[in-house]
Amino acid sequence: EVQLVESGGGLVQSGGSLRLSCAASGFSFRSYWMTWVRQAPGKGLEWVANINQDVSVKSYVDSVKGRFTISRDNAKNSLYLQMNSLRAEDTAVYYCARVGYNNYEVDYWGQGTLVTVSS
Amino acid sequence: QSVLTQPPSVSGAPGQRVTISCTGSSSNLGAAFDVHWYQQLPGTAPKLLIYGNSNRPSGVPDRFSGSKSGTSASLAITGLQAEDEADYYCQSYDIRLSGLVFGGGTKLTVL
Repeated sequence: EVQLVESGGGLVQSGGSLRLSCAASGFSFRSYWMTWVRQAPGKGLEWVANINQDVSVKSYVDSVKGRFTISRDNAKNSLYLQMNSLRAEDTAVYYCARVGYNNYEVDYWGQGTLVTVSS
Repeated sequence: QSVLTQPPSVSGAPGQRVTISCTGSSSNLGAAFDVHWYQQLPGTAPKLLIYGNSNRPSGVPDRFSGSKSGTSASLAITGLQAEDEADYYCQSYDIRLSGLVFGGGTKLTVL
């Protein structure tokens, strides 16, 4: 069974930093693109960042470029999101998710971790 | 402003059929990238409902179907049930943004 379990969320002051982690199990982690998607309270889904299997490709939504860094450790079956210079508008539930083989579909999602940035 | 455009809400009575539209552009749906659909029940993570325009993952009832043509796509739900009340999102890949793009979401109300 595919499982994605996020951790590391919490309350942080504006300008602060936080590192999210995602532990993957039940599949060959090193074989898949992975992604972070966030959802602000009462709002829709927003893609945050992608990373490919061998870390040679990383992409970010414009609003987090230069502040967030996506990374992975295939030996530990783990995905990370380092978030610096946090702003109030970064407040959201952050989902770790797997990108499927077909055509960039997100086929498995974690339960999400809440990040709250206080101003 | 989402890259993919969906109606904010749709509604229907039990047993009826509803459709949810998703409109993109030449850098995503029009660039031959597939559209995918997700169902998000209140307080839960999204769940893949339709992938590759019209394919259902195992376990998704055949009451749900999807289609795509050019820069537009749609999700159809037939035989509406109370349990279908949820938020629905379309998603694709955008070549200009080099990332995933989502619609703003559509809230389905079963009357």
